[in-house]
Amino acid sequence: EDKVVQSPLSLVVHEGDTVTLNCSYEVTNFRSLLWYKQEKKAPTFLFMLTSSGIEKKSGRLSSILDKKELFSILNITATQTGDSAIYLCAVSSGGGADGLTFGKGTHLIIQP
Amino acid sequence: GAGVSQSPSNKVTEKGKDVELRCDPISGHTALYWYRQSLGQGLEFLIYFQGNSAPDKSGLPSDRFSAERTGGSVSTLTIQRTQQEDSAVYLCASSPRGGRDGELFFGEGSRLTVL
Repeated sequence: EDKVVQSPLSLVVHEGDTVTLNCSYEVTNFRSLLWYKQEKKAPTFLFMLTSSGIEKKSGRLSSILDKKELFSILNITATQTGDSAIYLCAVSSGGGADGLTFGKGTHLIIQP
Repeated sequence: GAGVSQSPSNKVTEKGKDVELRCDPISGHTALYWYRQSLGQGLEFLIYFQGNSAPDKSGLPSDRFSAERTGGSVSTLTIQRTQQEDSAVYLCASSPRGGRDGELFFGEGSRLTVL
């Protein structure tokens, strides 16, 4: 059974801090790893990673994948209160449904 | 519309009643997914439709759950004889090619509360 584990499950930091969110996985026939941000209802897409060692970057957010050690990290620098959300990691694989296996998410709270 | 549309946004029902949740995917998207998100949990896969292929129902938790997709577009998730443990947010997502090769576009979800 495919498995995606995120850590920490929750994190509270102050505005301006840098945070690192972790996602490890065990899946058959890995294809890609995706990060989503869920603020209130609909998760919104952040990154899709398919190759090891290549950093994806968007503003203050960046992510990298390690296919040998089977994990990914999502970094957020100079955090703002608007970064408060649940960050979901999902892995696409050839096993089971032709869709995504999601982790439980990291609930990030940025305090002013 | 421009995005995935779900209705109702909120539904409160009594235990034992049937409910129907609707999803309008983005026009032209061939793949449609239903997920369930319980409080404090990640997204639990329920069912997946891809074009005219038979749906992947491997995530449906019991035979009280069923889903249809008519004309390759609108989908309805039906829960019969609802139980309190069915209370959750039901999220629909669509994709132009399927999750393997592209991102999913999510709707705002339908929050179901079973009393």
